[in-house]
Amino acid sequence: HSVLRQPPSVSGAPGQRVTISCTGGSSNIGAGYDVHWYQQLPGTVPKLLIFDNNNRPSGVPDRFSGSKSGTSASLAITGLQADDEADYYCQSYDSSLSAVVFGGGTKVTAL
Amino acid sequence: QVHLVQSGAEVKKPGASVKVSCKASGYTFTDYYIHWVRQAPGQGLEWMGWINPNSGGTNSAQQFYGRVTMTRDSSISTVYMELYRLISEDTAVYFCARGVVPGASAEGMDVWGQGTTVTVS
Repeated sequence: HSVLRQPPSVSGAPGQRVTISCTGGSSNIGAGYDVHWYQQLPGTVPKLLIFDNNNRPSGVPDRFSGSKSGTSASLAITGLQADDEADYYCQSYDSSLSAVVFGGGTKVTAL
Repeated sequence: QVHLVQSGAEVKKPGASVKVSCKASGYTFTDYYIHWVRQAPGQGLEWMGWINPNSGGTNSAQQFYGRVTMTRDSSISTVYMELYRLISEDTAVYFCARGVVPGASAEGMDVWGQGTTVTVS
């Protein structure tokens, strides 16, 4: 049971917009800690996709965007492509646990 | 270019210990925290802890208290993670990853090692 809750899977047709939610609580996202997102393609190392809620590292396409409000955050993928099929994880910090915490991950499928 | 290169795969018996290394290059080693994250087969990412390479200070996830040690050797820009009293559920790929913000522990991780497979059997 992850401290940050994500839907197990989301899917969409190529070209569509999909969003992934990351729901936390008052000791993590709601306490103001930043949310970061990772993409893990099958068989590869996780890659930082979004840091500090809505910032993209260089090289990440602007089709990927992040937002945060209250105790939740979201990752949006616009213009979904087959290459976007991967597992996506959110991450933040929890002050009650004094620990970095990950969401359980969401598998994105392009139909 | 920034790289983290980890040691090779390990096979261990239950009850044994494993020590994984992570060698950094391409940046000032002492400026960035290093995190350890593991991923069991078919499962998600699990944070294990971090080490401050400057001070040697560490913090680990509660479920690993007393069972993990993180150290560093600044002379060779390398951090180590040692996990004791291994059980079958410790079978996983272990990653080291660099914190994205210098001197900060509660941030994202921008550079990852290639992963080290540890099999407990």
